[in-house]
Amino acid sequence: GQQVMQIPQYQHVQEGEDFTTYCNSSTTLSNIQWYKQRPGGHPVFLIQLVKSGEVKKQKRLTFQFGEAKKNSSLHITATQTTDVGTYFCACYTGGFKTIFGAGTRLFVKA
Amino acid sequence: DADVTQTPRNRITKTGKRIMLECSQTKGHDRMYWYRQDPGLGLRLIYYSFDVKDINKGEISDGYSVSRQAQAKFSLSLESAIPNQTALYFCATMQQGADTQYFGPGTRLTVL
Repeated sequence: GQQVMQIPQYQHVQEGEDFTTYCNSSTTLSNIQWYKQRPGGHPVFLIQLVKSGEVKKQKRLTFQFGEAKKNSSLHITATQTTDVGTYFCACYTGGFKTIFGAGTRLFVKA
Repeated sequence: DADVTQTPRNRITKTGKRIMLECSQTKGHDRMYWYRQDPGLGLRLIYYSFDVKDINKGEISDGYSVSRQAQAKFSLSLESAIPNQTALYFCATMQQGADTQYFGPGTRLTVL
């Protein structure tokens, strides 16, 4: 079956440093979504990528979809304490289910 | 999102007890999902439903059952709870034709 790997599992950064999380699928994806879960909260949708090689930006967040549509990354520039939480990729292959990555938990030290 | 509610928010129960977790939504979405979240494992799909008459098993359905009582309500039952079902449970909804899921606040279940 489809495998989704997300790395790293944890990342500790100093406020102001950059952060990147990577998501890799064993199969080609129709689209990929990214969600953020604050500590004690629930996952909240951030963005969806559909096209091969697509790059989208939301303020300090940059999302990329690989050319082969099997991998994606989320990059945060100059992290802030408000960025803490767990970032999940959600992989959709065109079936009826979305497979979530295990998540990357981001810790930001002020 | 207040549009998706889950009850109870926290529950402690004993091994062998029957437990029901409830999810309600006012978003008018036809698709509803139950996930469990465990540390380091992300979100794993238990069951999903595309309408009242459509129920499907997810990755980890063993030990669980569901009921879609109405378009707005989707309940998850643990017939005989066991300790390794201790987890955070999320309900989610999605509109047909869209890809964004909206999650409820979660239910933290502890089975002793």
